[in-house]
Amino acid sequence: EIVLTQSPGTLSLSPGERATLSCRASQSVSRSLAWYQQKPGQAPRLLINDASNRATGIPDRFSGSGSGTDFILIITRLEPEDFAVYYCQQYDASFPCTFGQGTKVEIK
Amino acid sequence: QVQLQQLGAGLLKPSETLSLTCVVSGGSLTTHLWSWVRQPPGKGLEWIGDINHVGGTDYSPPLESRVTISVDMSKSQFSLNLTAVTAADTAVYYCARNGGSFDLWGRGTLVTVSS
Repeated sequence: EIVLTQSPGTLSLSPGERATLSCRASQSVSRSLAWYQQKPGQAPRLLINDASNRATGIPDRFSGSGSGTDFILIITRLEPEDFAVYYCQQYDASFPCTFGQGTKVEIK
Repeated sequence: QVQLQQLGAGLLKPSETLSLTCVVSGGSLTTHLWSWVRQPPGKGLEWIGDINHVGGTDYSPPLESRVTISVDMSKSQFSLNLTAVTAADTAVYYCARNGGSFDLWGRGTLVTVSS
């Protein structure tokens, strides 16, 4: 099983600030990595797939980068609706799908 | 557009079988894999398994002995059965469309296991 470790656990920021979230895989997943946003009481929403491709309708303030074992999600200017929990997920074909434990982005 | 509607019971006793169905409307089951993901209260996401339109399945190893996912093309739906549930299976269960990443989700069903 591939373990995904997200950091930090919680990120306290103000609207307008830049958020940088990390996801590290226990072994290489190439670029088979996605990012999701989840708000309380809602299903997750796909933000990024294949490490850096924004999903349909996702604003360009969200960007993903990385390959292999180290991945980053950046939100360039936090909007009030961006405060949520963010998960990474790997879908390398050689291993069962796994998720990271999540990073909560909260209002400072 | 494609929508996923979840059906099924939300309260079970220990040792019972969890049964949920996801109805796919506005699209075909032939184009993607179809998955179940769960989330215990206050915790993270856990993949349960996938199915394709011809019934090929892939299950999470820790759950494999208790899980069955099936598909009914005539009703455009797929289903989850999880046997011998315990309190540890209490979670919100989501169905999702799987193209590697999960780009479409059902609204979720809270399943509580309690005696």
